[in-house]
Amino acid sequence: GNSVTQMEGPVTLSEEAFLTINCTYTATGYPSLFWYVQYPGEGLQLLLKATKADDKGSNKGFEATYRKETTSFHLEKGSVQVSDSAVYFCALSALEEGSARQLTFGSGTQLTVLP
Amino acid sequence: GAVVSQHPSWVICKSGTSVKIECRSLDFQATTMFWYRQFPKQSLMLMATSNEGSKATYEQGVEKDKFLINHASLTLSTLTVTSAHPEDSSFYICSARHHAQYFGPGTRLTVL
Repeated sequence: GNSVTQMEGPVTLSEEAFLTINCTYTATGYPSLFWYVQYPGEGLQLLLKATKADDKGSNKGFEATYRKETTSFHLEKGSVQVSDSAVYFCALSALEEGSARQLTFGSGTQLTVLP
Repeated sequence: GAVVSQHPSWVICKSGTSVKIECRSLDFQATTMFWYRQFPKQSLMLMATSNEGSKATYEQGVEKDKFLINHASLTLSTLTVTSAHPEDSSFYICSARHHAQYFGPGTRLTVL
């Protein structure tokens, strides 16, 4: 079956530090990969996605590249801000548009950015 | 953007009682809504998929008689945890689909 393993948190960084949250996956076929973010008191929001190998998803300064050879989709940001403090979830889907029935989530990584 | 709300945001109840959690899509109509459960430091686990006007489809291992789902309208789905027990304590998250998938903020249930 499909599974997602992501870096355990919590992660605490100073403002302007470089961020990496590791995510690896196991899946049959060619899944789409996603990063969701959950800010305090809010629902999960799609941050970025990639639908095929070597695609790079990017949004709000965050990037992740779909690496088929290493089955990874690590999240990176060059300079984090306090407002980036949230929980980040890596997820995969067997369908391009992320039909919920096939969405498989990682356990989430809590990020705290200190001023 | 599309907003999904949940009510209540947290609830504490006694063992044996039933608890109803509401999920509403505030500015769009959702023919399909989903209910997830999340244990501390674990993944979101899909419990069931509900379609407006029809019976919910439950994932394997989820008791349909314990977790009653009603999708009465295009903007409202409810999850009722019947005869709740301490092992039902968890974080319940709903999601509504309208071109993309939008998540509610979750409901923390604690059963004493």
